[in-house]
Amino acid sequence: KQEVTQIPAALSVPEGENLVLNCSFTDSAIYNLQWFRQDPGKGLTSLLLIQSSQREQTSGRLNASLDKSSGRSTLYIAASQPGDSATYLCAVNSGGSNYKLTFGKGTLLTVNP
Amino acid sequence: DAGVTQSPTHLIKTRGQHVTLRCSPISGHKSVSWYQQVLGQGPQFIFQYYEKEERGRGNFPDRFSARQFPNYSSELNVNALLLGDSALYLCASSIGTGVETQYFGPGTRLLVL
Repeated sequence: KQEVTQIPAALSVPEGENLVLNCSFTDSAIYNLQWFRQDPGKGLTSLLLIQSSQREQTSGRLNASLDKSSGRSTLYIAASQPGDSATYLCAVNSGGSNYKLTFGKGTLLTVNP
Repeated sequence: DAGVTQSPTHLIKTRGQHVTLRCSPISGHKSVSWYQQVLGQGPQFIFQYYEKEERGRGNFPDRFSARQFPNYSSELNVNALLLGDSALYLCASSIGTGVETQYFGPGTRLLVL
């Protein structure tokens, strides 16, 4: 059974700081890994998707890496801004008979002005 | 182009009642998945439908059921509501079987009293 863990559970940083969010998963047989952002009480916004054959993906100030063999992914946010404050969720797609996503509990990020 | 839409946005029910939640995928998307997100947790997979057929079911009781219509919209039904069913119900769509990027709607907030 796939399990996803995100560390830390919460993170508070001053504006402008670079930061790293961590995600680990127990079963390395994955199709892809997706990072999402969730604002309070809202749905999920897809940030980046990394295929199992890829090592990293970049979008603007965001960079996600994947080390499938060790079951780890990181989301790097450069030059953080108060608008980046949200919960960041990592989800792995393990394929099989259906392509469900298994989520971690998320990291609550607060960027202070 | 419109994103994933869900209705209603909020709902209050009492124990024992049933509820129907609706989801319209992004135009051209053929896969719809449903997730339940309890406060403070990551979303949990409930169902996936592709081309109107159930492709996967998560670890939820038979009180939960769903279907997908010819226009690829979907309904999630929950019977005999329990207090523990209170959650944010999220719908996600993807263009194919689900291995691609999944796009989430804003969710339906269900409160069971």
